[in-house]
Amino acid sequence: KNEVEQSPQNLTAQEGEFITINCSYSVGISALHWLQQHPGGGIVSLFMLSSGKKKHGRLIATINIQEKHSSLHITASHPRDSAVYICAVDTQGGSEKLVFGKGTKLTVNP
Amino acid sequence: NAGVTQTPKFQVLKTGQSMTLQCAQDMNHNSMYWYRQDPGMGLRLIYYSASEGTTDKGEVPNGYNVSRLNKREFSLRLESAAPSQTSVYFCASSEALEYYEQYFGPGTRLTVT
Repeated sequence: KNEVEQSPQNLTAQEGEFITINCSYSVGISALHWLQQHPGGGIVSLFMLSSGKKKHGRLIATINIQEKHSSLHITASHPRDSAVYICAVDTQGGSEKLVFGKGTKLTVNP
Repeated sequence: NAGVTQTPKFQVLKTGQSMTLQCAQDMNHNSMYWYRQDPGMGLRLIYYSASEGTTDKGEVPNGYNVSRLNKREFSLRLESAAPSQTSVYFCASSEALEYYEQYFGPGTRLTVT
């Protein structure tokens, strides 16, 4: 079983819809990251959080440490949000540092 | 600031050839990383450098070597390329190992035939 599981693997939405991507992990963590990989391949960091909730524009990330679960929400989705969204965790005491989920491919149609 | 730069962007090698992927960052970060990304798999850590002068193995180090040349530069060397090393390689950097965001380079697409 992977240490970081994302769902769904693929998601198609219509412009304007509210999007939720989920991330569950099975190890102790010090922080959780959400990353965005553009269709061209570039990867950018969206959020890093260890508790509660963070908001940036139309993006909201939440984490529940007790339940080992995080969600990434996109409000009023737009075709430019189409990308792969990747969850990664900073493991406590691990040697691999960031452990990544396989990503969720989001397509937003106009 | 250029952020994290990688060269080359694309490379085709024959089995057994060697090459070095270059990475540089201009953010004065202490920690640097090399990842590979394969279809259907998450990013996997090859090697990392917590600070200048140190390097450590990640999840998939076999077939690779690294050099932290100075604080800015972290190179990845394939001594004898194999088809299994066909992948997209990303370099990243962060201020320190934990609790800091990582900044990624644009990637190098490597094909080994």
